[in-house]
Amino acid sequence: DTGVSQDPRHKITKRGQNVTFRCDPISEHNRLYWYRQTLGQGPEFLTYFQNEAQLEKSRLLSDRFSAERPKGSFSTLEIQRTEQGDSAMYLCASTGIGMNTEAFFGQGTRLTVV
Amino acid sequence: AQSVTQLGSHVSVSEGALVLLRCNYSSSVPPYLFWYVQYPNQGLQLLLKYTTGATLVKGINGFEAEFKKSETSFHLTKPSAHMSDAAEYFCAERNTGGFKTIFGAGTRLFVKA
Repeated sequence: DTGVSQDPRHKITKRGQNVTFRCDPISEHNRLYWYRQTLGQGPEFLTYFQNEAQLEKSRLLSDRFSAERPKGSFSTLEIQRTEQGDSAMYLCASTGIGMNTEAFFGQGTRLTVV
Repeated sequence: AQSVTQLGSHVSVSEGALVLLRCNYSSSVPPYLFWYVQYPNQGLQLLLKYTTGATLVKGINGFEAEFKKSETSFHLTKPSAHMSDAAEYFCAERNTGGFKTIFGAGTRLFVKA
């Protein structure tokens, strides 16, 4: 297993455009998380899935953000009508079954909105 | 609400000196605790974790951390800094009843030659 992979690694988009990011978790992991990280800050929780069910969403996740995990494997995070404030690193992580397992992170997608 | 506090956004040490990065958690119930390291434009890599049992936890690259319930702390140490340790370090906690990992704001470690 090659770990958590995210695509693309970098995305530059114009304000108002829609963008979609993909995350492929470690194959046997049933929980998947999205975080956002801005410069000089720690990762902030956005949402998480257990299998295909989205179980928690942060208040940070405005109506312009939507995440899916249709078959309980890969996940997508879409941002509609991007704003400059959306510029950040978007990190995906996955964990296996068990409360004491750590989150394994992908390398992130850096979004720049111009 | 859960929160993790890392004291000092920047720490600078000389190569070979002791590294001490401070972390305090908020949970009233002993949580699971983690330290992660992040290099520029990379994801987070786990250094070590505390779940149950021994309160002194050893991790990769010579790092260790001690869980102190009375102080709600989980400070990260390394006896002798190496230039390659220069990075951003994040302390994190997860409540035993939850699935969400909460991160501190991070401490950037600088190592001087």
